[in-house]
Amino acid sequence: ETGVTQSPTHLIKTRGQQVTLRCSSQSGHNTVSWYQQALGQGPQFIFQYYREEENGRGNFPPRFSGLQFPNYSSELNVNALELDDSALYLCASSPYRQGLIRFGQGTRLTVV
Amino acid sequence: AQKVTQAQTEISVVEKEDVTLDCVYETRDTTYYLFWYKQPPSGELVFLIRRNSFDEQNEISGRYSWNFQKSTSSFNFTITASQVVDSAVYFCALSGFMDSNYQLIWGAGTKLIIKP
Repeated sequence: ETGVTQSPTHLIKTRGQQVTLRCSSQSGHNTVSWYQQALGQGPQFIFQYYREEENGRGNFPPRFSGLQFPNYSSELNVNALELDDSALYLCASSPYRQGLIRFGQGTRLTVV
Repeated sequence: AQKVTQAQTEISVVEKEDVTLDCVYETRDTTYYLFWYKQPPSGELVFLIRRNSFDEQNEISGRYSWNFQKSTSSFNFTITASQVVDSAVYFCALSGFMDSNYQLIWGAGTKLIIKP
């Protein structure tokens, strides 16, 4: 079975720009969650998608938005990038909301 | 409150020593899951174990073992005969509802350094 894959692995953007991060969920998984991990900290929950609908959201502003597609892959979009958005963004998939959660390798975003 | 505490920020041991990483959690849920993940310098979170709140059996997987004690709300992780490749940050996490969202609630992580 294929695992969770994320693209790109690294990205450098300028403050004010917009970015789209992508995630392919593990085969058979219909739930995707996104987490932000700042350097030296634990991951923070951004939001979760279940069957193409947002199913929960953490304490992140509206400029963080997402999508889930019919094949359960997902995108994370961040508008008006700020320096503090620099972090590792992790995508996780699971077969159902409380299922076994697998993570991708992450996208390291640097905002300059 | 839903909370995970990993009190050990950093542990350094010499190779072949045994090491235990502590995890204490708080939850009001009766059904929940506990997880351990390993995060090497590459950044990927590697799944190690998931434990159901109703299953208090300890588990051993090779050099890794986990001690789940519901009475003390702890889910500790022991590495026996540590190796340099075990060097990483280890996170304990709790699945549950927080701020009206079902999510993983994470500890701050323990950085484990295994010296040759």
